[in-house]
Amino acid sequence: GESVGLHLPTLSVQEGDNSIINCAYSNSASDYFIWYKQESGKGPQFIIDIRSNMDKRQGQRVTVLLNKTVKHLSLQIAATQPGDSAVYFCAVIVGGGADGLTFGKGTHLIIQP
Amino acid sequence: DAGVIQSPRHEVTEMGQEVTLRCKPISGHNSLFWYRQTMMRGLELLIYFNNNVPIDDSGMPEDRFSAKMPNASFSTLKIQPSEPRDSAVYFCASSSRAPYGYTFGSGTRLTVV
Repeated sequence: GESVGLHLPTLSVQEGDNSIINCAYSNSASDYFIWYKQESGKGPQFIIDIRSNMDKRQGQRVTVLLNKTVKHLSLQIAATQPGDSAVYFCAVIVGGGADGLTFGKGTHLIIQP
Repeated sequence: DAGVIQSPRHEVTEMGQEVTLRCKPISGHNSLFWYRQTMMRGLELLIYFNNNVPIDDSGMPEDRFSAKMPNASFSTLKIQPSEPRDSAVYFCASSSRAPYGYTFGSGTRLTVV
């Protein structure tokens, strides 16, 4: 099986600062990792993904870092904006995904003006 | 593309009543997933279908829950009889290349009183 945990349920940052959201997973066979953003009243939306053969991937204002040694991944958001306020989930797939996605509990990112 | 469409958006029902939640996946997607989201347990996979066939229903909490996918464009999740502990947001997601590339619907918020 797999368990996924986030280090902080809530993260408050100043607008314009960088945000870092962390996630830990338990199964070393995990091979695909995804970050989702969920705004109030909406379903989770795909942000960025990374496969286990990579340790870093960049998108627009977002970067995902994967450390397989300590089974940890992080989402970095550059120059945080009010529209980034949401709950962020990491999700993990193990061994081809026969069991589907396993989600962490989520970190609520709050943007201070 | 209208995305994954769920109905109703909100449902309030009395304990013991039957509840039916509906989902229309994205056209061309061959995998469909039902998730339940609560504060305590986060996002939990209930069941998923591949080409209209249920593949894994091990996440369905008990016999009161049932799901069907009579064709590629429609799925239902039924709870009979409903109980207050079933109160949650229920999400449907679809994918054309599961377990990757999930698209979530906006969810149905179910309240059982």
